[in-house]
Amino acid sequence: DVKVTQSSRYLVKRTGEKVFLECVQDMDHENMFWYRQDPGLGLRLIYFSYDVKMKEKGDIPEGYSVSREKKERFSLILESASTNQTSMYLCASSLTQGGSYGYTFGSGTRLTVV
Amino acid sequence: DQQVKQNSPSLSVQEGRISILNCDYTNSMFDYFLWYKKYPAEGPTFLISISSIKDKNEDGRFTVFLNKSAKHLSLHIVPSQPGDSAVYFCAASTPVGGGADGLTFGKGTHLIIQP
Repeated sequence: DVKVTQSSRYLVKRTGEKVFLECVQDMDHENMFWYRQDPGLGLRLIYFSYDVKMKEKGDIPEGYSVSREKKERFSLILESASTNQTSMYLCASSLTQGGSYGYTFGSGTRLTVV
Repeated sequence: DQQVKQNSPSLSVQEGRISILNCDYTNSMFDYFLWYKKYPAEGPTFLISISSIKDKNEDGRFTVFLNKSAKHLSLHIVPSQPGDSAVYFCAASTPVGGGADGLTFGKGTHLIIQP
């Protein structure tokens, strides 16, 4: 069964901390994505990557960076966590850049910044 | 500018009846439309999709209808079951260079199936 694995289900971090959210997929997909989900706002794209060492900004990249050193791993970095980054973070991967195959999502990381 | 809109934040339907979830879009470059289902504390799971050249796609209890002239799609669930209670996201994609990156999601509709 194909999988996207996010390293933590729940995280609590302090304001100003540097936070790493890890995502690994075992499907040999080239395309990987980070979204955040907030009530009433749906899923918003933070960053995405179409290849190793390649990254592109999504709709809300401010306060975040990403790293893709290996094909299977896509990391989201909060440089200095703030309370407005408290959210559910979802990683996804896909076979194609377009949506015909859809995305496979991880289970999500619920991050609370205090 | 919200390119994919789900105007109903929530919908309550009796078990056994039909659930109809609606979605509107503005970008005429979208070539695929997808529906995802999400339970609390889990990631979204793919439900069903439709190409923009089709007007209907069916998979078991789930049918998606696309009205391209109205830029509207809907998901029908018949019959509705308690396990269908979840948040449903409408999503759309464009070919590369089509004006959107990745999948563009609506804000979701919380479907509640009443016993």
